[in-house]
Amino acid sequence: ETGVTQTPRHLVMGMTNKKSLKCEQHLGHNAMYWYKQSAKKPLELMFVYSLEERVENNSVPSRFSPECPNSSHLFLHLHTLQPEDSALYLCASSQGHPPGAQYFGPGTRLTVT
Amino acid sequence: AQSVTQLGSHVSVSEGALVLLRCNYSSSVPPYLFWYVQYPNQGLQLLLKYTTGATLVKGINGFEAEFKKSETSFHLTKPSAHMSDAAEYFCAVSDQENYGQNFVFGPGTRLSVLP
Repeated sequence: ETGVTQTPRHLVMGMTNKKSLKCEQHLGHNAMYWYKQSAKKPLELMFVYSLEERVENNSVPSRFSPECPNSSHLFLHLHTLQPEDSALYLCASSQGHPPGAQYFGPGTRLTVT
Repeated sequence: AQSVTQLGSHVSVSEGALVLLRCNYSSSVPPYLFWYVQYPNQGLQLLLKYTTGATLVKGINGFEAEFKKSETSFHLTKPSAHMSDAAEYFCAVSDQENYGQNFVFGPGTRLSVLP
């Protein structure tokens, strides 16, 4: 595998379910990011991890819970989501300092029913 | 705080015509600038980036962009559009000091290429 991979690519979940999104980067980067992309809205930065420590949390509701066990893996744990959380969730990685280009995974298309 | 504006949420060009997608930024410190392309149901792919040095930057697929500090612009161009260029294009700015926290994307421009 090369680049940034995300699983699953598509996810349908009910509002009472608990699920997790997974991201893995094979680029040797030391920073990872979660973005939310909704129709007709700009990319929203959700979380930033640098050297496995969370350095930014952009007022994201607590029903989204990130986890970064090591520099290559990033998870987004989901629980009791709302229909407005339906979106494309993108993971990215970069070499952190100075901040280089971010490299994106293909995304997970999440639908909350 | 940094910001990015992209003039025109939708641009249409004929196949073979010049592509010009506009990007203006604001940054209180020297910026890093990026252009990304997104095809339907895919992630963002880096087209090109400016960090330091030459202000005319060449990227993949025949695209290039020029950093103009006096105009705070980083417009994306391609001399001849191809049908496969139809996609969404995002300009982004990051500053040279903060650890990825000030990586800001513009709202995107959807490019349509007409036969």
